[in-house]
Amino acid sequence: AQTVTQSQPEMSVQEAETVTLSCTYDTSESDYYLFWYKQPPSRQMILVIRQEAYKQQNATENRFSVNFQKAAKSFSLKISDSQLGDAAMYFCAYRYYGGSQGNLIFGKGTKLSVKP
Amino acid sequence: NAGVMQNPRHLVRRRGQEARLRCSPMKGHSHVYWYRQLPEEGLKFMVYLQKENIIDESGMPKERFSAEFPKEGPSILRIQQVVRGDSAAYFCASSPQKGTNTGELFFGEGSRLTVL
Repeated sequence: AQTVTQSQPEMSVQEAETVTLSCTYDTSESDYYLFWYKQPPSRQMILVIRQEAYKQQNATENRFSVNFQKAAKSFSLKISDSQLGDAAMYFCAYRYYGGSQGNLIFGKGTKLSVKP
Repeated sequence: NAGVMQNPRHLVRRRGQEARLRCSPMKGHSHVYWYRQLPEEGLKFMVYLQKENIIDESGMPKERFSAEFPKEGPSILRIQQVVRGDSAAYFCASSPQKGTNTGELFFGEGSRLTVL
């Protein structure tokens, strides 16, 4: 069974600094997606960034980028120039995309605090 | 609003009552997923449905919980004889057919169930 592990329950960063959130996953599949979702206090799940497993190039979205290491099954999120609005729970998620659509499997999350 | 719509946003039930949560997927989406989030935890998959079909219910408790996605109308998650442990946020997500999507699930704002 696929699993997603986030080893950092809480992280803190100073405003304008850079922070990296860790995520590892376990799967025997080769076709899959990886995601980072943000959940602010409003509880809405917001997609931050997406990575297709077949792509070697790391995905980037403005201040957000990932370090995807497929062999190591690692998918970390880097937030540059952190802003107060980045404070939220961050969830790493895996989705198999082989013969049939699979559901999203989430890690337990990392609570990110941003200090002014 | 073209997003995933969930209602009610908040529901209070006494032990033993029934709870019904509704989800209308995004326009053009034919796949619906239900997730449960307990306090301070990540989202746990419950069930995956297409119109009139349950595709994967491996995350559903064996008793008291059921889900449907009829040909017409929203998807419904039904919890019979609720207990305090059912108190949680229930999220619905939708996606289009495979081959036309980017792997992302689009989430509603969640329904928060409180059992007294």
